[in-house]
Amino acid sequence: EPEVTQTPSHQVTQMGQEVILRCVPISNHLYFYWYRQILGQKVEFLVSFYNNEISEKSEIFDDQFSVERPDGSNFTLKIRSTKLEDSAMYFCASQIHTGELFFGEGSRLTVL
Amino acid sequence: SQKIEQNSEALNIQEGKTATLTCNYTNYSPAYLQWYRQDPGRGPVFLLLIRENEKEKRKERLKVTFDTTLKQSLFHITASQPADSATYLCALGSGNTGKLIFGQGTTLQVKP
Repeated sequence: EPEVTQTPSHQVTQMGQEVILRCVPISNHLYFYWYRQILGQKVEFLVSFYNNEISEKSEIFDDQFSVERPDGSNFTLKIRSTKLEDSAMYFCASQIHTGELFFGEGSRLTVL
Repeated sequence: SQKIEQNSEALNIQEGKTATLTCNYTNYSPAYLQWYRQDPGRGPVFLLLIRENEKEKRKERLKVTFDTTLKQSLFHITASQPADSATYLCALGSGNTGKLIFGQGTTLQVKP
């Protein structure tokens, strides 16, 4: 069964460092998302991406964040200068059209 | 502001019984509502979607209802099994966007 894959599964970084989280969405899907979940809290929307551009972003998704789909398969989330409060599980999701989202297993980011 | 509330206390039930989980929302008019299952340390997995003009949806042992007047959805698992033990997330969406607003989830524990 097709699935969304994310790498790395866990990344530890120092505050102020740049981090890139990678995702391979399901191949025929058209809509791509990043969500995050701080430990013990809700899953929160960060950004949606369609037709090679951001379609919507949340207040959390400030100038420190960026997304890219550099080729036909990968979808990346970059955090330019990580802060302690960026520590969370980051989930990539994809969608063929309106309806269910298919989530990856997440990348746990720990900022020290 | 938009608010989604799910029972924060864990729900403990005996195997074979029906589990009923509640999702209430305020200050929002969703076009659809989704339920996801999340196991510890893993990504959400889609279960059911119900649209604003639908009252009830079923899938195998799962049933969801949606009352837009009460601003409430009920999620039922009949003939529950220990394998159903997980956290269940309610998520609201609107229009053509895949942006979802999640509740904090209710943890279900099914005891043999």
